[in-house]
Amino acid sequence: QSVLTQPPSVSGAPGQRVTISCTGSSSNIGASYDVHWYQQLPGTAPKLLIYGNSNRPSGVPDRFSGSKSGTSASLAISGLQAEDEADYYCQSYDSGLSGSVFGGGTKLTVL
Amino acid sequence: QVQLVESGGGVVQPGRSLRLSCAASGFTFSGYAMHWVRQAPGKGLEWVAVISFDGSNKNYPDSAKGRFTISRDNSKNTLYLQMNSLRAEDTAVYYCARDRGGYYASESYFDYWGQGTLVSVSS
Repeated sequence: QSVLTQPPSVSGAPGQRVTISCTGSSSNIGASYDVHWYQQLPGTAPKLLIYGNSNRPSGVPDRFSGSKSGTSASLAISGLQAEDEADYYCQSYDSGLSGSVFGGGTKLTVL
Repeated sequence: QVQLVESGGGVVQPGRSLRLSCAASGFTFSGYAMHWVRQAPGKGLEWVAVISFDGSNKNYPDSAKGRFTISRDNSKNTLYLQMNSLRAEDTAVYYCARDRGGYYASESYFDYWGQGTLVSVSS
């Protein structure tokens, strides 16, 4: 059971927009701790996608965007492409656990 | 370019020990906190340990406290994870990852990752 809750899977057709939610609690996202997102392509290591709720590292397309409100955060991917098919993880800090926590991951399928 | 290369994984019996290494290059290793993050087969990511840029501060989740020890040698640009009393549930790919800063903080995130090394605990 992950501290941050993500849907196990989402899907969309090429060109569409999908969102992935990440729900936490008052000891993590709700306590105003930042949310970060990672993309893990099949068989590879995770890669930083969004940091500080909504910032993209250099090289990440602007099709990827992040937001946060209350105890939840969201990752939006617009103009879906086949190469976006991957697992996506959210990450934050939990004051009760005094450490970094991840969501369980969401598998994105491009139909 | 930033490179992190893990090594030391393998098959180990329950109760035994293993030491993982992570060789860093392409950046000033001594300026960044470093982490270990693991991923059990078919499962999600789990943060395992962090060490500050100078080795003075270390943090672990409860699952690693008392059994795992993180350390670093800045003269060799290398990060380590000593794992003792290994259990079947420690079976995972272990990644080393760079922190965005020199100290672990609530706003920390992992900006570069290695390719991982597989640890399999089995009799």
